[in-house]
Amino acid sequence: AQKITQTQPGMFVQEKEAVTLDCTYDTSDPSYGLFWYKQPSSGEMIFLIYQGSYDQQNATEGRYSLNFQKARKSANLVISASQLGDSAMYFCAMRGLLSGGYQKVTFGTGTKLQVIP
Amino acid sequence: DSGVTQTPKHLITATGQRVTLRCSPRSGDLSVYWYQQSLDQGLQFLIQYYNGEERAKGNILERFSAQQFPDLHSELNLSSLELGDSALYFCASSSGRNSYEQYFGPGTRLTVT
Repeated sequence: AQKITQTQPGMFVQEKEAVTLDCTYDTSDPSYGLFWYKQPSSGEMIFLIYQGSYDQQNATEGRYSLNFQKARKSANLVISASQLGDSAMYFCAMRGLLSGGYQKVTFGTGTKLQVIP
Repeated sequence: DSGVTQTPKHLITATGQRVTLRCSPRSGDLSVYWYQQSLDQGLQFLIQYYNGEERAKGNILERFSAQQFPDLHSELNLSSLELGDSALYFCASSSGRNSYEQYFGPGTRLTVT
């Protein structure tokens, strides 16, 4: 079974500061992928960043970086230089492998980030 | 705009009824994923199709079924609807069988009364 845990239901950050959103995971799959998605109040889901379990380097996409610590089973999202438009719900997700070659995607419960001017 | 379209945007129906949600993936994308987002269950992966074939299955109820057609659009059929099926249903698409970058549609808001 696989599980994603996001322990911060809500967070505040000052505009232009960096913020870290926590995500821990549990899986027995040898190979898996970790994602972060952003969901603004308008409801759409926006892909932000991906980290493969065998990737040596931490993933970065513009102001987003994923702090991947495999031994601790954590995949925290770091947003640098926060902007007002970053205010949204953020979901951590994992894709793992089931028997028979099927894949399963599991989402965390989300963290609501509010950026303060 | 992700390029993924979903219809209808809103749907209100009664318990026991059957509805069909439609999704058109981005041009060229072969994989379609369906997700359910509800207040009590959060975001749940339902099912994935790749080029017309079922590729992965998540927490999809037996009352629900999906298919992907030769033109790559997909439909999610929900039958014998219950109040608890009220949720936002997302479709997402990606280019490959195992692609990690999925593009989400705007969702269909289903309300069962």
